[in-house]
Amino acid sequence: GAVVSQHPSRVICKSGTSVKIECRSLDFQATTMFWYRQFPKKSLMLMATSNEGSKATYEQGVEKDKFLINHASLTLSTLTVTSAHPEDSSFYICSARGGKRGTEAFFGQGTRLTVV
Amino acid sequence: QKEVEQDPGPLSVPEGAIVSLNCTYSNSAFQYFMWYRQYSRKGPELLMYTYSSGNKEDGRFTAQVDKSSKYISLFIRDSQPSDSATYLCAMVGGSEKLVFGKGMKLTVNP
Repeated sequence: GAVVSQHPSRVICKSGTSVKIECRSLDFQATTMFWYRQFPKKSLMLMATSNEGSKATYEQGVEKDKFLINHASLTLSTLTVTSAHPEDSSFYICSARGGKRGTEAFFGQGTRLTVV
Repeated sequence: QKEVEQDPGPLSVPEGAIVSLNCTYSNSAFQYFMWYRQYSRKGPELLMYTYSSGNKEDGRFTAQVDKSSKYISLFIRDSQPSDSATYLCAMVGGSEKLVFGKGMKLTVNP
């Protein structure tokens, strides 16, 4: 299957700082990327949908000023958690739609964020 | 009624068993159906992708879709301890968003 690379896999930061997470589709062009958050033993919670060259669409309850999403190219989207707080600690996963049929969704490896 | 329903389990089976995982859905607009496997602390891995009613086989895995009943299944034959993971069904229709089931935690005991 197609490859989506997410970096970093793990990050620890201090409260009040910002953290950037990168998501790259390595062997296909992804016109749409999705950002999810996953709590322990829970399913994926969609945070936002990002289309290349346009503003991201955020799900209800997700603060767009806190979770900044940039989809600058067909292979790269970034999620920046601004002014991080301990409650932002979570597992963040990106997904990119593309592949042979253009409709499959492939996931990155996830980023474990811990805010101390 | 939720758009996608999946029994969260957990399910525990002996090695070699046939495993059946199921999801039901209510939205007739769903056209594409996927099964993902997620190991602990990892991103989901796409296992199977189908878009029409019927069966699709890939090695020990068979995905089945019944659009008339709005029901999809994933069968795992000769299950192995390495199959122990959480399995998520996902589907997408007119909207670009994937809608996920809750995920079923499977344990295959040696």
